[in-house]
Amino acid sequence: AQSVTQLGSHVSVSEGALVLLRCNYSSSVPPYLFWYVQYPNQGLQLLLKYTSAATLVKGINGFEAEFKKSETSFHLTKPSAHMSDAAEYFCAVSEVDSSYKLIFGSGTRLLVRP
Amino acid sequence: DSGVTQTPKHLITATGQRVTLRCSPRSGDLSVYWYQQSLDQGLQFLIQYYNGEERAKGNILERFSAQQFPDLHSELNLSSLELGDSALYFCASSPQGSSGNTIYFGEGSWLTVV
Repeated sequence: AQSVTQLGSHVSVSEGALVLLRCNYSSSVPPYLFWYVQYPNQGLQLLLKYTSAATLVKGINGFEAEFKKSETSFHLTKPSAHMSDAAEYFCAVSEVDSSYKLIFGSGTRLLVRP
Repeated sequence: DSGVTQTPKHLITATGQRVTLRCSPRSGDLSVYWYQQSLDQGLQFLIQYYNGEERAKGNILERFSAQQFPDLHSELNLSSLELGDSALYFCASSPQGSSGNTIYFGEGSWLTVV
């Protein structure tokens, strides 16, 4: 079965600092991977997705993620954090059965200090 | 705005009662997913419908049921409610429920059982 693991339930960075949110996946086949963001009291918004076209994926709001097969990782980064980036971030993998449902990690809450 | 519409946004009800959550998918999307988000369980897949037919079932309690209507909108019915059913319920949709398709989430319905 597909699964993802997000290391660190909370990550705190200073405004302007590098953001690194970690995600490792387990998949029996080449995976489709996603990062979603959830702002307070809002739904899940897609940041970016990996579908094997390119290992470095650029998303919205300056975020990007790199697919590393050898490390089974899909870490999310942003060079310079902004206060508005404070939110919860979820990594997800697409299931390989006919549902193609998303299997989510437990989430990482990003705190941005002024 | 993802294009997925959920109603009601907030709902408070008593234990033992029954509620119905409604979802309108994005225009043209055939696949609808329901997820439950709670503090202790994270984001859990409940059930998926594709073009009116149930396609996949996850950790959905027997007290819960869902359906997708000919116009593709979906309803999630929760009955004999318990305190532990308090959660944020998301509806999501995708074009054809295919691997790699982006799944778009609504804003969610907050259910509080008292």
